[in-house]
Amino acid sequence: KNQVEQSPQSLIILEGKNCTLQCNYTVSPFSNLRWYKQDTGRGPVSLTIMTFSENTKSNGRYTATLDADTKQSSLHITASQLSDSASYICVVSADNDMRFGAGTRLTVKP
Amino acid sequence: KAGVTQTPRYLIKTRGQQVTLSCSPISGHRSVSWYQQTPGQGLQFLFEYFSETQRNKGNFPGRFSGRQFSNSRSEMNVSTLELGDSALYLCASCGSHTDEKLFFGSGTQLSVL
Repeated sequence: KNQVEQSPQSLIILEGKNCTLQCNYTVSPFSNLRWYKQDTGRGPVSLTIMTFSENTKSNGRYTATLDADTKQSSLHITASQLSDSASYICVVSADNDMRFGAGTRLTVKP
Repeated sequence: KAGVTQTPRYLIKTRGQQVTLSCSPISGHRSVSWYQQTPGQGLQFLFEYFSETQRNKGNFPGRFSGRQFSNSRSEMNVSTLELGDSALYLCASCGSHTDEKLFFGSGTQLSVL
């Protein structure tokens, strides 16, 4: 069964700290993996897209890694800001299938 | 450049009714996809349209349907509404291939009473 599991479910950190969110998947055959940020009441915004041959991709303070062998991805946020408070969703695509993780709810406190 | 526009923003319906949601993609984008988001199930893919043709379809009943017009605008219809259809319905567009970056609208929040 094609699944995407994210951890932790929720996370609270202090402003300025770093954090890492995890995404494990069993989707096959793998096409690409995306990380999205979704603010409350808004649609998701793309952070990174990685294909099979890419193992790291950065977007400002966001760095995503991919290990296609172990089927794991992580999203690392550096020097967190209050505006990083949001849900972060991992999405894995197969040929004609797209599976979403349940998301990690990140809260950054001052 | 305007983003993806979804209307209406909020909608309240009763069981058994039908509803039509609208999505205007970013100018020049030809692919429009629809998603359902609920607290319990998270985001789920409904279907994708490209050049007025349904290209991919998720695992939803036939009550959920859509179409795309020649200007790439898309509509989604849900017939015989059920309480469980209450959700945020999101639309996303991209240039031509779904491996490209998706741009989401803010969604339509549907409540079925």
